[in-house]
Amino acid sequence: QVQLVQSGAEVKKPGSSVKVSCKASGGTFSSYVIHWVRQAPGQGLEWMGRIIPILSITNYAQKFQGRVTITADKSTNTAYMELTSLRSEDTAVYYCARETSVAGTWWFDPWGQGTLVTLSS
Amino acid sequence: SYELTQPLSVSVSPGQTANITCSGDKLGDKYACWYQQKPGQSPVVVIYQDTKRPSGIPERFSGSNSGNTATLTISGTQAMDEADYYCQAWDSSTVVFGGGTKLTVL
Repeated sequence: QVQLVQSGAEVKKPGSSVKVSCKASGGTFSSYVIHWVRQAPGQGLEWMGRIIPILSITNYAQKFQGRVTITADKSTNTAYMELTSLRSEDTAVYYCARETSVAGTWWFDPWGQGTLVTLSS
Repeated sequence: SYELTQPLSVSVSPGQTANITCSGDKLGDKYACWYQQKPGQSPVVVIYQDTKRPSGIPERFSGSNSGNTATLTISGTQAMDEADYYCQAWDSSTVVFGGGTKLTVL
């Protein structure tokens, strides 16, 4: 049973950066594709990007290009999402999720528990 | 960019059928999936590949996708089904979520 455990809540100042971790257990991490999705308070889900650790390939949503970096450490089965130049609208819960696929379709299962990032001056 | 549109809210009486729609250009040519999210919890997939239910998801959850609309149907809705529901699809290697629908069981 694959589990994704994320790092704890963060409080950041505008203009700074945050790095959230997502540690996987119960499977073969290098074969996973890990995505990052965020959810602002009271809002919907927003895809940020993904990493394919075994190929070291990343894809980012256009909205976050240049501000987000997703990495993976295969030795510790951990994926990371770093977001820079933080602003108030980046206050959100950040989720990691594993991509699951079959027959040309992909979905997210499981999800991490979420990490709340709060911007405060 | 590709967009998926959902109604903000749907209300249903216990035991009745709830239908939640998700609209997008030629959505029927893509695969859609659905997530359930309860307050304070992470999303959980309830339908993938348009119609498939993961193990552990009750049979009352079903899905369809044709033309420009995917639909999540909950038959015999129970109070525990009250949650936010999100559709999701892929477009040009980009993941797209619908805006979410709040299902109220009253």
